[in-house]
Amino acid sequence: DAMVIQNPRYQVTQFGKPVTLSCSQTLNHNVMYWYQQKSSQAPKLLFHYYDKDFNNEADTPDNFQSRRPNTSFCFLDIRSPGLGDAAMYLCATSRDSGTGVGNQPQHFGDGTRLSIL
Amino acid sequence: SQQGEEDPQALSIQEGENATMNCSYKTSINNLQWYRQNSGRGLVHLILIRSNEREKHSGRLRVTLDTSKKSSSLLITASRAADTASYFCATDAYFGNEKLTFGTGTRLTIIP
Repeated sequence: DAMVIQNPRYQVTQFGKPVTLSCSQTLNHNVMYWYQQKSSQAPKLLFHYYDKDFNNEADTPDNFQSRRPNTSFCFLDIRSPGLGDAAMYLCATSRDSGTGVGNQPQHFGDGTRLSIL
Repeated sequence: SQQGEEDPQALSIQEGENATMNCSYKTSINNLQWYRQNSGRGLVHLILIRSNEREKHSGRLRVTLDTSKKSSSLLITASRAADTASYFCATDAYFGNEKLTFGTGTRLTIIP
């Protein structure tokens, strides 16, 4: 089945030690998103790729970066994780055929839960 | 900010009863979507309603949209234990709709 896969499901890192989360999709969607979700809160968009074009949210910390080497893969790099970065990180995809992505559902992976020691 | 607010924040009902949750948003939209999130999992798309639609059904789900009040409601009929989850509304912006903004969510618990 076509899907969005995130690895690992659980990641533990040390304060200040760089960490990379990965996301892959078999849906061939042109838009990929990274969200941060803290306990009992709404998902917060960090950035998204529209094809190869990177779009950063204004309030995303500089500590967070992303790479999309091809259509199928997207990575979230946290350069120097702080305790406040402990959260669930969700990857999602959607398809835009030219009329906007708001009229298309987003497909989510099951997330990576990041813990900071 | 466009972020929607959902009401109530938490809802507990007996299995078999209907559950209604509401979403309000701030600016004009093209589309509104509802998602479900089971504990520790990703979000799953439930239903999409366009700004020119007033009501939409999908199985046991009924969504209404009132653009004049900037609000939407999600009704789940004949609830089941498996409906226990958090439910989020998400809106796109009328201009520049490359992204969705999610509401604060309603935590629904179905008591068997």
